[in-house]
Amino acid sequence: GQQLNQSPQSMFIQEGEDVSMNCTSSSIFNTWLWYKQDPGEGPVLLIALYKAGELTSNGRLTAQFGITRKDSFLNISASIPSDVGIYFCAGLPNTGNQFYFGTGTSLTVIP
Amino acid sequence: GAGVSQSPRYKVAKRGQDVALRCDPISGHVSLFWYQQALGQGPEFLTYFQNEAQLDKSGLPSDRFFAERPEGSVSTLKIQRTQQEDSAVYLCASSSRLESGTDTQYFGPGTRLTVL
Repeated sequence: GQQLNQSPQSMFIQEGEDVSMNCTSSSIFNTWLWYKQDPGEGPVLLIALYKAGELTSNGRLTAQFGITRKDSFLNISASIPSDVGIYFCAGLPNTGNQFYFGTGTSLTVIP
Repeated sequence: GAGVSQSPRYKVAKRGQDVALRCDPISGHVSLFWYQQALGQGPEFLTYFQNEAQLDKSGLPSDRFFAERPEGSVSTLKIQRTQQEDSAVYLCASSSRLESGTDTQYFGPGTRLTVL
């Protein structure tokens, strides 16, 4: 199945640093979601975006729905050790019910 | 319950065995989704239910995979004659709106299936 291009694949950062990751698609999407997945658990929803250009924050997390509707990014400010995990974007195209997921960004925070 | 629950959490099957995976969605959620997640990959769509109707099963990899949701609540994903390539985490998600594009999906913890 189709998967979105998500980058970077992995990140190793110092505690307190800011993080940025993004997701791109060749198709136009109506919805972008960002999830965090810990080992052995299901993805947990972080932020949902429904309109092109929308910028939404959730605590230290900020995500934007790209103007072209083909991309989205997630920023994490002032990272802390519990931010460690795998972050996935997911998008819903114009037609259909199927959410497509990115390949994930593995985040490691070094205390 | 408060969230999506799945059982069993872990399943080991011998090749050729049939397995059944259960999903209990969030109470009142009309939409239910099944995903397959291979190691190191993002979830991949398998099938979608709106209440008891299976509206999209385009992601099921073969006719050995079958899903049902007979009363519009609990769903079961059945895999017949399991093969080693079926080894993965199977995730269930539910959503409260009729049109999945205007709502978000909440995931269960998944069932890790290992086929020997």
